[in-house]
Amino acid sequence: GAVVSQHPSRVICKSGTSVKIECRSLDFQATTMFWYRQFPKQSLMLMATSNEGSKATYEQGVEKDKFLINHASLTLSTLTVTSAHPEDSSFYICSARVGGTGTDTQYFGPGTRLTVL
Amino acid sequence: QQPVQSPQAVILREGEDAVINCSSSKALYSVHWYRQKHGEAPVFLMILLKGGEQKGHEKISASFNEKKQQSSLYLTASQLSYSGTYFCGTNLFTTSGTYKYIFGTGTRLKVLA
Repeated sequence: GAVVSQHPSRVICKSGTSVKIECRSLDFQATTMFWYRQFPKQSLMLMATSNEGSKATYEQGVEKDKFLINHASLTLSTLTVTSAHPEDSSFYICSARVGGTGTDTQYFGPGTRLTVL
Repeated sequence: QQPVQSPQAVILREGEDAVINCSSSKALYSVHWYRQKHGEAPVFLMILLKGGEQKGHEKISASFNEKKQQSSLYLTASQLSYSGTYFCGTNLFTTSGTYKYIFGTGTRLKVLA
């Protein structure tokens, strides 16, 4: 089956530093990747949609200058949290999709737990 | 835009049944159901593609009413392992002509021995 990996799985950083999270589709090419953020006891909220070779589409309320997304290839998307602050501490999950119809299935990465001190 | 799930939380005794509903204000082209354990990524349970479709996965089944823009997940004879948070997910058509994938509000389910 389709596998999506995320790295790192867990990261602790100091306030003000930047953190990069990688999302890779290991055995398929993903036309689109999505980034989600999940706070404790809440749902997964879509942050942005990333298409290979083009700029990411951010959801309302998500700062594009703070959450930099790069989708350099069909198998790799990165999310960089710039100048991280404690309120950015969260569980970040990526997903990858093949195709662009309303019935496509998502394949999720295992998630990255970010803790900002 | 986010599909609303009900109930928000439910507590069951082992062996009891539960129904989780997912209702959308937008058209649903497909519905996915997931279960998430604490600290882990969501685990895919099943996908429903056609209006009226019903599917089963062991003692977990689901239905999809496209006209009502609703889906329901049925858990029968619940087991301790069913505990977790359940999410519905769907592709939402955007004004730019593409689809984005969003999750429902979630339902926390706890099964007691």
